This record gives sequence, structure tokens and C-alpha cells, in this order.
Amino acid sequence: NAGVTQTPKFQVLKTGQSMTLQCAQDMNHNSMYWYRQDPGMGLRLIYYSASEGTTDKGEVPNGYNVSRLNKREFSLRLESAAPSQTSVYFCASSERAGGNTGELFFGEGSRLTVL
Amino acid sequence: QQQVKQSPQSLIVQKGGIPIINCAYENTAFDYFPWYQQFPGKGPALLIAIRPDVSEKKEGRFTISFNKSAKQFSLHIMDSQPGDSATYFCAASKGGNEKLTFGTGTRLTIIP
Repeated sequence: NAGVTQTPKFQVLKTGQSMTLQCAQDMNHNSMYWYRQDPGMGLRLIYYSASEGTTDKGEVPNGYNVSRLNKREFSLRLESAAPSQTSVYFCASSERAGGNTGELFFGEGSRLTVL
Repeated sequence: QQQVKQSPQSLIVQKGGIPIINCAYENTAFDYFPWYQQFPGKGPALLIAIRPDVSEKKEGRFTISFNKSAKQFSLHIMDSQPGDSATYFCAASKGGNEKLTFGTGTRLTIIP
């Protein structure tokens, strides 16, 4: 099993350009997430989707949009990239067990640099 | 506002030593406290987790100690090995909410 797959792994953008980060999971999980990781800041939630057809803002949603295309796929779009969005982006998925928070399974990350 | 404070930022321990990483939280509604381990170039992976109805949980060489009154929890690694060198994140969530709040991470280095 591949688990959580993210593409691309690396991307360099110029300020103002747009791009979409793709994420797919093959574990039949209902919930999917996008986090960004910055030095000294830990992991911060950008958006999440508790189930197919629903999305909700996390801690740092400004400048991003998401689409839950189907149960497997959850994409993150930067409409007009800014240098402050230089980061490593992680997609994750989870499944609740008995109403309790489930384990998050992370992809290997997408390293984005905005010049 | 940082809801989960993690320390230290980095830690160097000799092989066989017991590194301890501490986290403190503010929200008393938090009821799920996992630790994630991340190796360079990889995504974080769940290491061990605890709920506030117990004060300690062990899984192999890894132990979580939990102090509900102090709103603190910590990770201990017994007989540490160079292969334990990684970044460790504590996290917390409330009421079965799947939105985890992560600490800022601790970069652990175990030297031979």
C-alpha cells in the first residue's frame, strides 16, 4: 500500500504564480488534512476535510483553497503565491475509531519555495 | 496563540541516556495527547499516545508521563539509540476532535 501520496515533492514558484498540491490516500479514510511545517513553528493546520464533500478552515487558511475531489483525493491550491508561503506542506489522512481521534497518516511532504 | 508549548527545541544525548521532552497545554478540554516522530525527508508518524485517565503509558522504550493538574506531559526514551535521532512533536486535541494542535518540535540527536 502506498498510504498517502503527495505531488509534487519539490516546486519553485515566483511571487504571484499559482499552483496546486495534490494528495491521494488509499486507506479509505474519511478525513484528510493539509499542514504546513516551518522551522520553530511546528505543524500548523491549513484546512481539513472531515468527510467527502466537506471542508473547513484550520489555523492558517489565508492564501489557500482546497478541494475534496472524492474520498481519496484532497488538493491544496495557492492562487497567488507569496514568499511567506515558502514551507514544507504535508497531507494527512485519518479514520476515527469509536468516535475518538484517530491516528494521522502523513505523506512525505511537498517542499515549496516562493521567490 | 500557542496552545501546546514544547521544550527543549533541540536535545543531544549520549547513547543509552534517557532524553526527556516536555509539553505543556492550556486548554483543559484537551483529552488526547499523541507524540509523533519524524525522520529527515519523511512525514511524521504516530509514536505513542495517552488519554488523561492514566498517568503513564509505555510502549517498548518509549514512555509518556501525564500530569493532569499541572497540564503537562512528557516523553521519555529509555536506552536511547542513534536510530532514535529524529524530530519529535507532541500534540493535543479535544473531545474526539480530529484537529490536532501540535507543539513546535524537538530535534533529538543521540550520539554514539
